[in-house]
Order: sequence, then structure tokens, then C-alpha cells
Amino acid sequence: GESVGLHLPTLSVQEGDNSIINCAYSNSASDYFIWYKQESGKGPQFIIDIRSNMDKRQGQRVTVLLNKTVKHLSLQIAATQPGDSAVYFCAETPDKLIFGAGTRLAVHP
Amino acid sequence: DTGVSQDPRHKITKRGQNVTFRCDPISEHNRLYWYRQTLGQGPEFLTYFQNEAQLEKSRLLSDRFSAERPKGSFSTLEIQRTEQGDSAMYLCASSPRTGDTEAFFGQGTRLTVV
Repeated sequence: GESVGLHLPTLSVQEGDNSIINCAYSNSASDYFIWYKQESGKGPQFIIDIRSNMDKRQGQRVTVLLNKTVKHLSLQIAATQPGDSAVYFCAETPDKLIFGAGTRLAVHP
Repeated sequence: DTGVSQDPRHKITKRGQNVTFRCDPISEHNRLYWYRQTLGQGPEFLTYFQNEAQLEKSRLLSDRFSAERPKGSFSTLEIQRTEQGDSAMYLCASSPRTGDTEAFFGQGTRLTVV
């Protein structure tokens, strides 16, 4: 079936470094994508979104890149901080949100 | 309005019992989703509503699961004859309109079936 998946289950980075979290999607009909952050015991929290008519979108310290040719999505976090430690999910939607398994980001001082 | 609210936050029940969870979405949000999440996995889609209409129900959802949104505002998710495999976090989310907008999540209801 159609799914959203992630390339790396765990990513460890040093505080201050940049982080890149990758995601592959398979539904070519998806036209809207979201990155969520989830901390332990909490619901997912919106980080940034991007529509299929764009290939890049920037927020505060975060950038999302979309490559529709290879159905790939990435989240870049600049100057990663300990508070960024969490599990990150990409989600896609042509009509309902479908999530992947997530990448755990561990930030070390 | 403080966001999506779910009740209870935690529920422990014996196998075979029925449980019901409630979700109060953000006011005037037309769309409401239910997801299930187990440890180390992403949220798994269960069902969603557009106003009071249930638009889709996952094939993973057995007949023991039922969801309602009778007046297009709050929603309930009921699990009948619970099994240990039902133990999970049940998440509710709402969004202002159709799928191309951000969905806001509640804190979830953690169900433990013993």
C-alpha cells in the first residue's frame, strides 16, 4: 500500500550542528506535506509544512525541501539545540494525513 | 480555546471490558481525525470526520471499534471487548478544513489493557 517512510531511525548530533532528517513518500497524488515533532508522552506538534507546488520552505531554524521527482522530503534544523531532541515524523496528505515511522533526534552537548 | 482536548489521559482496563474516549477539537474545526500509536511507531490512521460525516475508516479497524461525531463537534471512540493488543496511545487531531491544512493534535489517551 501507499506509505510514508524514513531513511534513518536514529540521528545523533552535537549541539550547534545542523541536522538533516529524510523522508520518502510513495503516493504521487499527495499535494501537502507536514513535519511534526513529538516529545515523549505528548501529541505531535507541527513544525513546518510545504505544498507540492513548492520545493523549499523556510521557518525559524528549520527548512523543508521537497523533491517530487524522487518523492523525497527532508527537514533541516540549523544550530541544533538540546530542546530539539524528539522524534520527528513526516506526513503526507492527498486527503488524510498518513505518517511514517519517525526518526529519533538525539542532541548531545 | 486551548487546543484539542482528550479525555481521559490514561485508562487502564481489564481485557474484555469496553472503553470510550472523548475528543474535543478546536472550535469550528471541521475535520477530526483519530490515530493509534504504539511505542516506536508513527501515528496510524484509524478514521476521520468532516463535520458529522465519517469519511473513511481504516481497514485495520476491527468491528470492535466505533467512532462518532454526532453534532460535528466533539467525537467519541469506543472499543468493545478490549484485547491486550489494543494497548496504545490514541490520538485525536483536528483541522480547519480539508486535508491540505495543518492538523493540531491533542495529548492523547494512553490505554493499557491488562
